[in-house]
Amino acid sequence: EADIYQTPRYLVIGTGKKITLECSQTMGHDKMYWYQQDPGMELHLIHYSYGVNSTEKGDLSSESTVSRIRTEHFPLTLESARPSHTSQYLCASSVRLANYNEQFFGPGTRLTVL
Amino acid sequence: AQKITQTQPGMFVQEKEAVTLDCTYDTSDPSYGLFWYKQPSSGEMIFLIYQGSYDQQNATEGRYSLNFQKARKSANLVISASQLGDSAMYFCAVYEKLTFGTGTRLTIIP
Repeated sequence: EADIYQTPRYLVIGTGKKITLECSQTMGHDKMYWYQQDPGMELHLIHYSYGVNSTEKGDLSSESTVSRIRTEHFPLTLESARPSHTSQYLCASSVRLANYNEQFFGPGTRLTVL
Repeated sequence: AQKITQTQPGMFVQEKEAVTLDCTYDTSDPSYGLFWYKQPSSGEMIFLIYQGSYDQQNATEGRYSLNFQKARKSANLVISASQLGDSAMYFCAVYEKLTFGTGTRLTIIP
């Protein structure tokens, strides 16, 4: 069973607020990812990390920032939320085994900015 | 760069029939992996099946099998004996930097 957690699961906030979406995993995976997904649409990679102190921007430009101070923790921060940030945010982690890639998703955070 | 193409935005299939969801990919990585995920209306991503680029045999997991044609860069998902609970969005993705296709919304008709 996957041990990857996201909090909060649902968040409704006003414009201009600073928010942090939490993501943590207990599997010791080096690689972690953040995806943004509008309802019924594809997943867009917005950030990824290949290890501690390593973060990269993904394919979709995002005003959010991330940090990776500990292996198990990969929080995403929006300094000033706007209605255009309303979306679902999915966190994932992965590890490359000998001949297999293992990858798990968290349950997601549904963000609504009013 | 990696790219995934899913050309079927939506499909309707009769219950108990088999269904094939198409996926083609493009990657410059010599070694890669292909995933299929199911996403029901609740929003969580459910892992279905994985195929490594060097695997000789097509992957199978219960009712799911992957028709992997490396030369054509194709990794189609086959669901045998479809069930009502199979109605969901299905996404194909390629590893290393996980890149997802646009998805196929599958609806099973009783």
